[in-house]
Amino acid sequence: NAGVTQTPKFQVLKTGQSMTLQCAQDMNHEYMSWYRQDPGMGLRLIHYSVGAGITDQGEVPNGYNVSRSTTEDFPLRLLSAAPSQTSVYFCASSPWDRRNTEAFFGQGTRLTVV
Amino acid sequence: GESVGLHLPTLSVQEGDNSIINCAYSNSASDYFIWYKQESGKGPQFIIDIRSNMDKRQGQRVTVLLNKTVKHLSLQIAATQPGDSAVYFCAEKRGTGRRALTFGSGTRLQVQP
Repeated sequence: NAGVTQTPKFQVLKTGQSMTLQCAQDMNHEYMSWYRQDPGMGLRLIHYSVGAGITDQGEVPNGYNVSRSTTEDFPLRLLSAAPSQTSVYFCASSPWDRRNTEAFFGQGTRLTVV
Repeated sequence: GESVGLHLPTLSVQEGDNSIINCAYSNSASDYFIWYKQESGKGPQFIIDIRSNMDKRQGQRVTVLLNKTVKHLSLQIAATQPGDSAVYFCAEKRGTGRRALTFGSGTRLQVQP
């Protein structure tokens, strides 16, 4: 089973460039989210979605956009990359239930902005 | 600031010993507390959760204890194995349904052979 697939695994961008981090899940999960992980820190929520057509901001949304046109895909767009966005990005999905505590994470995208 | 934190950044144990990883939280309104394991180069993986109205929950070789009086959460791993070496995160979930998880900063568990 593929689970949550993120592409690319590694990316180097120049300041000001834009790019899209892809995330796809094949578990028919309603809930998807994007986190960033910086050295020595936990994961911080960027954006999340509770279903197709519905997105909302998390803790650190500035500089990022998301859309959810299908249940399977939840891309994260960096509009104008900045060095402060150098991080490891994780996409996660989870089924919709009252607990909503078990998130399934992708392998991550390591992004460096120079 | 973070509402979920960890006491120690690194914990080193001998193979076969029991490990205890601690976590403090500040938000009494959290509905669930969860432990995740992250191996090097991988995404976090769910281990176990505990609802806020419970004080203990057991899984396979793991036990989570919740002390609401002092707002403290712990993960106990029995007979620690080399495969347990990873970073462990506690997380909290506030409310039901839409809310996402809030993660602490993590504790690195090193298992010495």
